[in-house]
Amino acid sequence: AQSVTQPDIHITVSEGASLELRCNYSYGATPYLFWYVQSPGQGLQLLLKYFSGDTLVQGIKGFEAEFKRSQSSFNLRKPSVHWSDAAEYFCAVGAEAGSYQLTFGKGTKLSVIP
Amino acid sequence: DAEITQSPRHKITETGRQVTLACHQTWNHNNMFWYRQDLGHGLRLIHYSYGVQDTNKGEVSDGYSVSRSNTEDLPLTLESAASSQTSVYFCASSAATGGGETQYFGPGTRLLVL
Repeated sequence: AQSVTQPDIHITVSEGASLELRCNYSYGATPYLFWYVQSPGQGLQLLLKYFSGDTLVQGIKGFEAEFKRSQSSFNLRKPSVHWSDAAEYFCAVGAEAGSYQLTFGKGTKLSVIP
Repeated sequence: DAEITQSPRHKITETGRQVTLACHQTWNHNNMFWYRQDLGHGLRLIHYSYGVQDTNKGEVSDGYSVSRSNTEDLPLTLESAASSQTSVYFCASSAATGGGETQYFGPGTRLLVL
């Protein structure tokens, strides 16, 4: 069965600083990988996803993520964080065709210092 | 615009009562999912459906049931509410075109069981 680990429960960065959120997955084949963001009191919104092709994926709000098969990682990055990026971020992995379930990591809460 | 809605947004109930949480989507998606979100656990899958009359148990299905009588709705029922079911509940939907589909989330229902 697939699994996702987000090693960092809480990260604090200064506004304008760069950001990297870590995600490691466990899955035998090539996975579908997702990053979602959840603002306080809201549902989850898709930031970006990877399922094939270019291993560097661009998303909304200036985020990008890189799929590294050798490291089983899909880390999320942003070059310059804005105060509005403060939220909780979830990495998720989906299985291959036929199963539409996603397995989520436990999330990383991002705080931004003005 | 297509959307997914949940009602009520907040609910307080007593132990032992039956509670039904509504989920309605206008994406015309075949797949629908119910998750619960608890601190330290991320999102855990309760039940899911891949089409009308199809329902399946997820990771934490005990004490919950769902039924799918049409494409748009997947209500979640707590048969006899327990304090351990105090949580935030999210409904999601996705297309069914082969795998790796994005799940679109509702705004959530915050349930308190006293």
